[in-house]
Amino acid sequence: KAGVTQTPRYLIKTRGQQVTLSCSPISGHRSVSWYQQTPGQGLQFLFEYFSETQRNKGNFPGRFSGRQFSNSRSEMNVSTLELGDSALYLCASSPGPGTEAFFGQGTRLTVV
Amino acid sequence: AQSVSQHNHHVILSEAASLELGCNYSYGGTVNLFWYVQYPGQHLQLLLKYFSGDPLVKGIKGFEAEFIKSKFSFNLRKPSVQWSDTAEYFCAVNALNNNAGNMLTFGGGTRLMVKP
Repeated sequence: KAGVTQTPRYLIKTRGQQVTLSCSPISGHRSVSWYQQTPGQGLQFLFEYFSETQRNKGNFPGRFSGRQFSNSRSEMNVSTLELGDSALYLCASSPGPGTEAFFGQGTRLTVV
Repeated sequence: AQSVSQHNHHVILSEAASLELGCNYSYGGTVNLFWYVQYPGQHLQLLLKYFSGDPLVKGIKGFEAEFIKSKFSFNLRKPSVQWSDTAEYFCAVNALNNNAGNMLTFGGGTRLMVKP
């Protein structure tokens, strides 16, 4: 069974630009969550999607958004990039509510 | 809002030493508990989980954890570490509120270095 796939693996963007990251969950998993990992703040929850609906949202500004498609694939978008958005963005999929999350390799975003 | 504390940020051990990493959370309701490991250059992997039942849970690679509800703790243990256990370890909590979603709150992580 294929794991969680995130693309691209690395991105370099300029301040003020926007970026879209993609995540393909494990087959059959309908819950997709996104996390930001930085050395200073650690792992922080961004949002969770289930059946194309945002079910939970973390404490991030509105510049961070996401969506989920009918095949459970998910994208997250960050607009008006800031230097502080440089981080590893992790996607995770889960088989059901309250169950374990399976993580992808992440997308390393660098904002210059 | 719930929070998770991992008291040891860096731990250095020699091979064959015993390991215990502390994890405490703050949430008064029902929780699911997890330990994840991140080996250098690799993605986060699940070590073990606790949903209900026996508070002593066993995971992969000889790791175990004990849930003590009265202490809001979920400490990770391994009787004898190996060099290959060098990694960063994260405790995580999913508070089972009415939303019934998947929203993990992570501790700050513990970097373990095992000396050969």
